[in-house]
Amino acid sequence: LAKTTQPISMDSYEGQEVNITCSHNNIATNDYITWYQQFPSQGPRFIIQGYKTKVTNEVASLFIPADRKSSTLSLPRVSLSDTAVYYCLVGGYNQGGKLIFGQGTELSVKP
Amino acid sequence: SAVISQKPSRDICQRGTSLTIQCQVDSQVTMMFWYRQQPGQSLTLIATANQGSEATYESGFVIDKFPISRPNLTFSTLTVSNMSPEDSSIYLCSVDQGSSSYEQYFGPGTRLTVT
Repeated sequence: LAKTTQPISMDSYEGQEVNITCSHNNIATNDYITWYQQFPSQGPRFIIQGYKTKVTNEVASLFIPADRKSSTLSLPRVSLSDTAVYYCLVGGYNQGGKLIFGQGTELSVKP
Repeated sequence: SAVISQKPSRDICQRGTSLTIQCQVDSQVTMMFWYRQQPGQSLTLIATANQGSEATYESGFVIDKFPISRPNLTFSTLTVSNMSPEDSSIYLCSVDQGSSSYEQYFGPGTRLTVT
């Protein structure tokens, strides 16, 4: 499974757009990129998944450049409730469903 | 999406004792997973539990310490045996909906404190 590197922490203010970048230089051809969000005292929650280019849903956007060696999770107009830890995971469908979590990025949104 | 419940939500236990954590899913699922999250840390996969077969443990985790049962497609238990303070963690179960994606659903976790 490809190793991921993310910033340990980020600060933002309400209403700003937040971009969290994840590096995964050893991503394999059949690997997908998935992001999870974890609030304090809760289990992680799936946010978004992509393979290349751009994916958007009601929560976030995921930008993946052509070389796929990094990805950026974009959270538009964050609010205090977006304060959480965000995990970037990389893996393929043939990994037996195992999720390998890295350290994650602790996002703190301030008023 | 699957709804997952865990019991107990938290417990304080004495060293040397054992605790069994239950994970219940509101729908049938093939794959269930158990994770540990130590204070301030990320999640670490303990084992994969498939119905009808022995659980598959990750490196560093053994069946004698973390026996797992998977009696049916909606239920699993994880036992933390002969506990020590180092076992103080949050234990979470998750399920894979089997759609060949990386979208798993997690339970709320069981916060274990060993004194």
